[in-house]
Amino acid sequence: AQSVTQLDSQVPVFEEAPVELRCNYSSSVSVYLFWYVQYPNQGLQLLLKYLSGSTLVESINGFEAEFNKSQTSFHLRKPSVHISDTAEYFCAVNGGSQGNLIFGKGTKLSVKP
Amino acid sequence: DTEVTQTPKHLVMGMTNKKSLKCEQHMGHRAMYWYKQKAKKPPELMFVYSYEKLSINESVPSRFSPECPNSSLLNLHLHALQPEDSALYLCASSQDIRREYNEQFFGPGTRLTVL
Repeated sequence: AQSVTQLDSQVPVFEEAPVELRCNYSSSVSVYLFWYVQYPNQGLQLLLKYLSGSTLVESINGFEAEFNKSQTSFHLRKPSVHISDTAEYFCAVNGGSQGNLIFGKGTKLSVKP
Repeated sequence: DTEVTQTPKHLVMGMTNKKSLKCEQHMGHRAMYWYKQKAKKPPELMFVYSYEKLSINESVPSRFSPECPNSSLLNLHLHALQPEDSALYLCASSQDIRREYNEQFFGPGTRLTVL
């Protein structure tokens, strides 16, 4: 069965600093990967996804993630974070025959002024 | 319209009450999901509906009863809940579970408190 590991439960950073949130997945023949963001007291929003093609995917708010098949990773990066990026970030993979997502445990990103 | 809506946003209920959570999408999606999310945890899958038929029930207690009256609506009927059922309940939808990849769109959730 597919699984997802988010290595850091909390990542505190200062505003305008770079950040990397790590995600590793269990290997599979075909894999589709997602990063979701959850702001306090809200639902999940899709941040970006890897389906096929270019291994570097970008979101509209400056985040990017790189699919690395050899390292089975899909780390999320941003070169300069804002206070408004404070949120919980979940990495997920298409896991089952029923199309359900398998989520990592989440990483809480706290951006401090 | 890429939105999934959920009502109510907040719900407080006693252990003897009966209430329902509602979810709606108008993206033409044929798969809909209920997730339960406890604080500081990832969402846990409860139910999956595919073409209005229950596809997955992740061993959820019978005090939770899902219903999919049509392709746009998904309900979760609640009865005799326990305080430990207090959580954020998220609805999601996707095009079709038979697709090779399955991007899910989430609603804002219903914050449920059981007294």
